[in-house]
Amino acid sequence: QKEVEQNSGPLSVPEGAIASLNCTYSDRGSQSFFWYRQYSGKSPELIMSIYSNGDKEDGRFTAQLNKASQYVSLLIRDSQPSDSATYLCAVEGSGGYNKLIFGAGTRLAVHP
Amino acid sequence: EAGVAQSPRYKIIEKRQSVAFWCNPISGHATLYWYQQILGQGPKLLIQFQNNGVVDDSQLPKDRFSAERLKGVDSTLKIQPAKLEDSAVYLCASSPEFYEQYFGPGTRLTVT
Repeated sequence: QKEVEQNSGPLSVPEGAIASLNCTYSDRGSQSFFWYRQYSGKSPELIMSIYSNGDKEDGRFTAQLNKASQYVSLLIRDSQPSDSATYLCAVEGSGGYNKLIFGAGTRLAVHP
Repeated sequence: EAGVAQSPRYKIIEKRQSVAFWCNPISGHATLYWYQQILGQGPKLLIQFQNNGVVDDSQLPKDRFSAERLKGVDSTLKIQPAKLEDSAVYLCASSPEFYEQYFGPGTRLTVT
């Protein structure tokens, strides 16, 4: 079992719709969770962090965390073509020292 | 605030040659990370420094890879000798203590 799993996609949504990206992780002791956006040929860019169960909203982005189910998600409201990118889920390992384990990413395509 | 700087941006070498990458983290960030990202995969941590001490190098192929962080600021990652499977993007990231990580633009290495 992979430590951090994401559906590779592509996830295709129309402009203006809600995009829902999902991530599951295997380390029950993980405490910190991050979403990075990576455009083709570019480096990952941090867009959200979440540390406690529930929802965290930042503009059009909402991160959701359920530690009991070992599940974290990212919702993008009013999706724009500029949101088309690969979204990487990263989970801090329970061993400490802020070591992040990344999923392989989900490719999102927003079409006009 | 200036971001993480990396050089070179691109490098092409033949197998068995050596190569070195340089990283300058965000000012004041104590923790520095080197990641390897193979096409279609998420970043994989190679080595993590806290100031100028190594925190984690469990996934660093020590027979060919080496890294140092002098004076707790800049860092270099070296590969000697390179193999075909080392073709990847090498990403440097930094964080203030153990919080969110911010990535540099990366170095794309092609080994022929």
